[in-house]
This record gives sequence, C-alpha cells and structure tokens, in this order.
Amino acid sequence: DTAVSQTPKYLVTQMGNDKSIKCEQNLGHDTMYWYKQDSKKFLKIMFSYNNKELIINETVPNRFSPKSPDKAHLNLHINSLELGDSAVYFCASSQEVIQGNSGNTIYFGEGSWLTVV
Amino acid sequence: GDSVTQMEGPVTLSEEAFLTINCTYTATGYPSLFWYVQYPGEGLQLLLKATKADDKGSNKGFEATYRKETTSFHLEKGSVQVSDSAVYFCALGRNEKLTFGTGTRLTIIP
Repeated sequence: DTAVSQTPKYLVTQMGNDKSIKCEQNLGHDTMYWYKQDSKKFLKIMFSYNNKELIINETVPNRFSPKSPDKAHLNLHINSLELGDSAVYFCASSQEVIQGNSGNTIYFGEGSWLTVV
Repeated sequence: GDSVTQMEGPVTLSEEAFLTINCTYTATGYPSLFWYVQYPGEGLQLLLKATKADDKGSNKGFEATYRKETTSFHLEKGSVQVSDSAVYFCALGRNEKLTFGTGTRLTIIP
C-alpha cells in the first residue's frame, strides 16, 4: 500500500482554470505538507498542517488554498492557474512536526506533475 | 535563516567509481540532516539521516556523517552502480519543516 498517495499524477490544464490535487496518507501521521519543485528541481515548502491546523504558510499566493478535512488528508486547490504554476507538487507527511534533532522523517508522495498551457 | 548548499552537478562517474557529494548547512541550534534521492520520473525517497553530531547515517552502501564542526553532511559511496543514477538532495530538519539543497544530478555510465 502506498503510504502517501496523491492524485492526479499528471495534469495539463489551461491558464485561468481552477484545479485540485488530492493527498492522503495512511501512516497515522499528524503532520502533512505541500512542497513545490520547480523546473530546476528546487524544492520549497508551501504549507504544513498539524492535526488539521495550518502551521506554515510560506508566502504562497492566495490563489493556493490547502484544505485538511481530517489529519489523513491535505488537498491543494489552485485558482486562476498561471503559466508559472507549472511544477511538480509533492505531498508529504511526518509523525510530528519537524523539530531540531528529533529525527522525525518526512515521507513524500510520488508527486503531481502540473503543466499549465 | 536555515540554508543548505550542495555541490553543483551534474556529476558523471563510471561504474564502480567512488562517489562524494558535498553538502554544508547553515542553521542555528541542532537540526537533523537527511539525504533524499529522486529517481527519474519518481518522487522523493529518504536515503539516510542523522540526528546529532558524529552520527553516521547509512543505507544501500551510501554513508554520511553529521559533522558539526564543519557543518557538513557529505554523501559517499565506495562503488557506484548504474542504478544509482538519480538526483540527490541534502536537507536539514528544523523549525517544523525540511529545507532542501538544490539537488545534485548523478549519472553513472557503464
């Protein structure tokens, strides 16, 4: 069974559309994340949630709205898609929030390749 | 703020060569350190980790030692295989998130 699963894996859509990416984890973790990987492979955190509460929002445009209906799910909705939103979006989870040398490991999904045309 | 610096790629080696990918970090306090690997067309997989100074993480023949005095976590493997071709990311864990380096693309030729 896939520990962190996200759908769809590939998405091609036109500018201006609204789209969602869904994420579910079956690890029983309390914390979930969205990361964005750009065309140069650079990975940057977008959001994190702990027990359905938002704890990190890294200056992401408000066109991006995460929603966590329960602690096993963290969906990402994107309004008015722009060309620059084309990227790979990774969902991830960890048992607890990452703190210093706690060693908590973040487990990543397989990524959702979004292309805006 | 926290940052991670990795050696720039791409790195191309012959099979059975010795591999080193350098990683240094800047952070206050005591972060955990990680190496993740991304195979072509796939997501990120944890390769190894270390949580305190002088810890050595190891997996699949790869090793990295947490060096606080040099703020480094260099990845090494004694004999690489074609199947090791991937992008390798160094990361530090602190302040409720992972901060990644820019990734190093490794290609192993037979």
